Amino acid sequence: SAVISQKPSRDICQRGTSLTIQCQVDSQVTMMFWYRQQPGQSLTLIATANQGSEATYESGFVIDKFPISRPNLTFSTLTVSNLSPEDSSIYLCSGWTGVAAGELFFGEGSRLTVL
Amino acid sequence: AQSVTQPDIHITVSEGASLELRCNYSYGATPYLFWYVQSPGQGLQLLLKYFSGDTLVQGIKGFEAEFKRSQSSFNLRKPSVHWSDAAEYFCAVGARDRGSTLGRLYFGRGTQLTVWP
Repeated sequence: SAVISQKPSRDICQRGTSLTIQCQVDSQVTMMFWYRQQPGQSLTLIATANQGSEATYESGFVIDKFPISRPNLTFSTLTVSNLSPEDSSIYLCSGWTGVAAGELFFGEGSRLTVL
Repeated sequence: AQSVTQPDIHITVSEGASLELRCNYSYGATPYLFWYVQSPGQGLQLLLKYFSGDTLVQGIKGFEAEFKRSQSSFNLRKPSVHWSDAAEYFCAVGARDRGSTLGRLYFGRGTQLTVWP
């Protein structure tokens, strides 16, 4: 199985600041994605992290608020900018291992609390 | 666009009883279908998946699911539930048509399973 490491695992931030989450995957992963899981809710896809180019965002998510980088195959960052209490969520990095294996693996998540 | 409906927010069963969690999807063609489990404080773990072929798929921990195209359903079943199965279960759908980004999954809202001893 693919190994996906995220950090920080949790953080408490002040309103108006930003938080950058790092995600490291192993080489089995072909595609990387970022999800948000709000308290008691399901997972919502934020964007597809594209290697060396701008991420592809889902409806309702914009680059100014959620800038994403993926400088190489195995590393990506998600920044949540201009934080508000509504951004308090778990943010999950995920990696797809391709059709042959066909599994989307998830990191442990980064729990963000905004005061 | 794809969507997933899990009509049951919370299900309670007794240990040893059978279980069925419902999942319906909306998609123009045959999608990729998945069931994930999330235990408290844990990450998401894949239980099983359907890509093609036999419509009854076996997964880990004794779970199985059946793809029914006519009903756009992918219900999860287990013949005898164990207390350790108490968790949140998510059904997910992924596109498989040409031009779609494989691995881009959309999740249902989840079903919380409580198991009584």
